[in-house]
Amino acid sequence: SQTIHQWPATLVQPVGSPLSLECTVEGTSNPNLYWYRQAAGRGLQLLFYSVGIGQISSEVPQNLSASRPQDRQFILSSKKLLLSDSGFYLCAWRTTGGAYTIYFGEGSWLTVV
Amino acid sequence: RKEVEQDPGPFNVPEGATVAFNCTYSNSASQSFFWYRQDCRKEPKLLMSVYSSGNEDGRFTAQLNRASQYISLLIRDSKLSDSATYLCVVERSNDYKLSFGAGTTVTVRA
Repeated sequence: SQTIHQWPATLVQPVGSPLSLECTVEGTSNPNLYWYRQAAGRGLQLLFYSVGIGQISSEVPQNLSASRPQDRQFILSSKKLLLSDSGFYLCAWRTTGGAYTIYFGEGSWLTVV
Repeated sequence: RKEVEQDPGPFNVPEGATVAFNCTYSNSASQSFFWYRQDCRKEPKLLMSVYSSGNEDGRFTAQLNRASQYISLLIRDSKLSDSATYLCVVERSNDYKLSFGAGTTVTVRA
């Protein structure tokens, strides 16, 4: 069966520090991968999605970036965090054909102080 | 106008009650629809897909109205464990992107 993991689960970072969140998917190949952010009391905002290795599309301009160095690995990064980057970050995957259900990782709580 | 809009609630209902709420979407070309459940500080989890003819999964019933561009979720015989935020999800015309509503909060009280 397929599983998705992301880490770290919780982190507190000072303004201006770098960020790296990692996500891996197991049990499937060539998944579509996504990074979402959920601010307090708000809906999920799509940040990046990827349909293959090295293929990244950005939904909103921001100081975040994403990379997909391997088929089942998706990384969210920032060189300098802002206070507004605080939130709940979710990695997700879905199959490229057939059912379009999207599955989420456990999430990473980021607090920028 | 937001792509997906939900009544944020909260819907406070007693155990055993029926609760129903809708979600409207703006893109008439949307093709796939889902309801997700999200518990406090947890990741969203798929509750059920929504099919054109409507579908039922135990105490949960989902309906799709393409003409009026909304989907609905009905929960019968509410349990305390049904307390959560329910997210409406709409696929944006096969471009690999899903739009999420901000969620409807349901609180079931004893």
